[in-house]
Amino acid sequence: EVQLVESGGGLVKPGGSLRLSCAASGFTFTTYSLNWVRQAPGKGLEWVSSISGSSGYIFYADSVKGRFTISRDNAKNSLHLQMNSLRGEDTAVYYCARGGSGNVYLIDWGQGTLVTVSS
Amino acid sequence: EIVLTQSPGTLSLSPGERATLSCRASQNVGSTYLAWYQQKPGQAPRLLIYGASSRATGIPDRFSGSGSGTDFTLAISRLEPEDFAVYYCQQYGNSPFTFGPGTKVDIK
Repeated sequence: EVQLVESGGGLVKPGGSLRLSCAASGFTFTTYSLNWVRQAPGKGLEWVSSISGSSGYIFYADSVKGRFTISRDNAKNSLHLQMNSLRGEDTAVYYCARGGSGNVYLIDWGQGTLVTVSS
Repeated sequence: EIVLTQSPGTLSLSPGERATLSCRASQNVGSTYLAWYQQKPGQAPRLLIYGASSRATGIPDRFSGSGSGTDFTLAISRLEPEDFAVYYCQQYGNSPFTFGPGTKVDIK
């Protein structure tokens, strides 16, 4: 059974930093892309970032480019999102999701971790 | 950036009725780079359809996807009580891999 468990969310002040993590199990980790998708309270889904299995391909939404950094540790089956210069509009539930093989449709999702940016 | 527009915003139907949801892209997303997700309140999204028309594992055959290029459709042949939810389309042909704003299917 595929499991994706996010952690690291919380309350942070504007301009602050936070590092999200996602622990993965139940699949061959290096075969699949991993992704972050967020959802602001009461709003729709917003794709944030993707990283390929070998970390050779990395993509970001324009809204986070230059502030967020995605990475993965294939030895520990984990995904990370370093978030710097946080803004109020970054407040959202952040989901970790496993992508399809060679594609970025999102097969499996974690339950999400809430990030709140507020003074 | 490819912008996805979903219509209608809300669809009010009764159990047993057919639902037809539309997703239109501002540019060609290719024949297969379109996915559909279902999300219920308080839950993570669930993949329904990928490649425009392929059902994900465990998805009932009352869900079907069609379309190519810029116009895509998700159909639910006979609504079951558990199908009332919000549905999102997503294109993954070009970064940024955008989502549509969603269609809410609620009980009439």
